[in-house]
Amino acid sequence: GDSVTQMEGPVTLSEEAFLTINCTYTATGYPSLFWYVQYPGEGLQLLLKATKADDKGSNKGFEATYRKETTSFHLEKGSVQVSDSAVYFCALSEKGGSEKLVFGKGTKLTVNP
Amino acid sequence: DTAVSQTPKYLVTQMGNDKSIKCEQNLGHDTMYWYKQDSKKFLKIMFSYNNKELIINETVPNRFSPKSPDKAHLNLHINSLELGDSAVYFCASSRLVGSGELFFGEGSRLTVL
Repeated sequence: GDSVTQMEGPVTLSEEAFLTINCTYTATGYPSLFWYVQYPGEGLQLLLKATKADDKGSNKGFEATYRKETTSFHLEKGSVQVSDSAVYFCALSEKGGSEKLVFGKGTKLTVNP
Repeated sequence: DTAVSQTPKYLVTQMGNDKSIKCEQNLGHDTMYWYKQDSKKFLKIMFSYNNKELIINETVPNRFSPKSPDKAHLNLHINSLELGDSAVYFCASSRLVGSGELFFGEGSRLTVL
């Protein structure tokens, strides 16, 4: 079945550092790809998405580009803040009406001042 | 105004008991979900309803029974609770079928002793 693999955490960075969280996927079709973020004690929130190859999703300074050739959707941010500390989940949804979001295992990010 | 609200937020109970978690969304969405998040933060879909009709039923013990009295509500009833049921249960909703854009509640942490 479809699956998502994320880099193992936790990731600890200093404020203003560059962030990359790797995500690769396996899918039989042409999925849409997502990054969700979970702040402490809260539910997940959609951070950004891309629906086709070479699309770039962006939000709040975060970016990710849908790379079909490498089946990847890595999350990046140029300068992280303490408020970015959270767990980040990569996910995919198959096209064609599938209701299922398949999530990666999450990567915990801690940003220190 | 909370978009997706779950009750209770915390639930501590003994093995063998029966418990329910309620979920309501005021977003006007047609599709609702239950996800289970284990102690390692791994998220897995359990059920999905579209307009009160069950459309996803993953490999979940039949001790778990979802009920959708109307499209704004999706409740989860669990019979004969086991230690392994301890987890955070998230309710979510989406506007478009298969969009992958989910709105999550804050979660209900179930602890089975």
